[in-house]
Amino acid sequence: NAGVTQTPKFQVLKTGQSMTLQCAQDMNHNSMYWYRQDPGMGLRLIYYSASEGTTDKGEVPNGYNVSRLNKREFSLRLESAAPSQTSVYFCASRRLPEGDTEAFFGQGTRLTVV
Amino acid sequence: GENVEQHPSTLSVQEGDSAVIKCTYSDSASNYFPWYKQELGKGPQLIIDIRSNVGEKKDQRIAVTLNKTAKHFSLHITETQPEDSAVYFCAAYVTGGGNKLTFGTGTQLKVEL
Repeated sequence: NAGVTQTPKFQVLKTGQSMTLQCAQDMNHNSMYWYRQDPGMGLRLIYYSASEGTTDKGEVPNGYNVSRLNKREFSLRLESAAPSQTSVYFCASRRLPEGDTEAFFGQGTRLTVV
Repeated sequence: GENVEQHPSTLSVQEGDSAVIKCTYSDSASNYFPWYKQELGKGPQLIIDIRSNVGEKKDQRIAVTLNKTAKHFSLHITETQPEDSAVYFCAAYVTGGGNKLTFGTGTQLKVEL
C-alpha cells in the first residue's frame, strides 16, 4: 500500500499564480486533512474533511480552498498565491473522524512563492 | 480551542543518554495524546500515543507519561541512538472537539556520537 500520496513534491509559484495540491489515500479512510508546517510553528490545520462530501475550516483557512473529490482524494487550491503561503504542506488521513485513531501523513509538498 | 505548548524547541544529547520532551495542553476535555516523529524530508509518523485513562505507556526505549491534573504529558527516550535524531511533535485531541488534532511546535532532537 502506498498510504498517503501527495503531488507535486516541490513547486515554485509567482505571486498571484494559482495551483492545486493533490492528495490521495488508499487506506479507505474517512477523514482527510491539510496542514502547513512553518519553522517554529509546528503543524497548523488549514482544512479538513471528516467524511466524503463534507469540508470544514481549520486554524488557518484564509487564501485556500479544498475539494473532497471522492473518498480517496482531497485537494487543496491556492487561487492567488502569496509569499506568506511559502511553506511545506502535508496531507493526512485518519480511519475515523472521531476518537483516538492514528493520522497518516504524506511526504509533503514544499511550496515557494516568489 | 485547544492550545498545545512544547518544550524545548531544540535538544542535544550524547548517544546513550536519555531525552525528555514536555508538552502542556489547555483544554481539560482533551483525551488522546499522540507523539509523532518527523525525519528529514518525510511526513510525521506516529511513534506512541496515550489515552486519558492511562498515566504511562512504554514501548521499548520510548515512554509517555500523562498528568491530567497538571495538563501536561511528556515523551521519554532512553539509551538514545543517532537514528533517534529527528523532529518530534506532541498533539492533543478532544473528542467532539471539531475533529482536530492540535500539534505542538516541535522539538529538534540531535543525538551526538
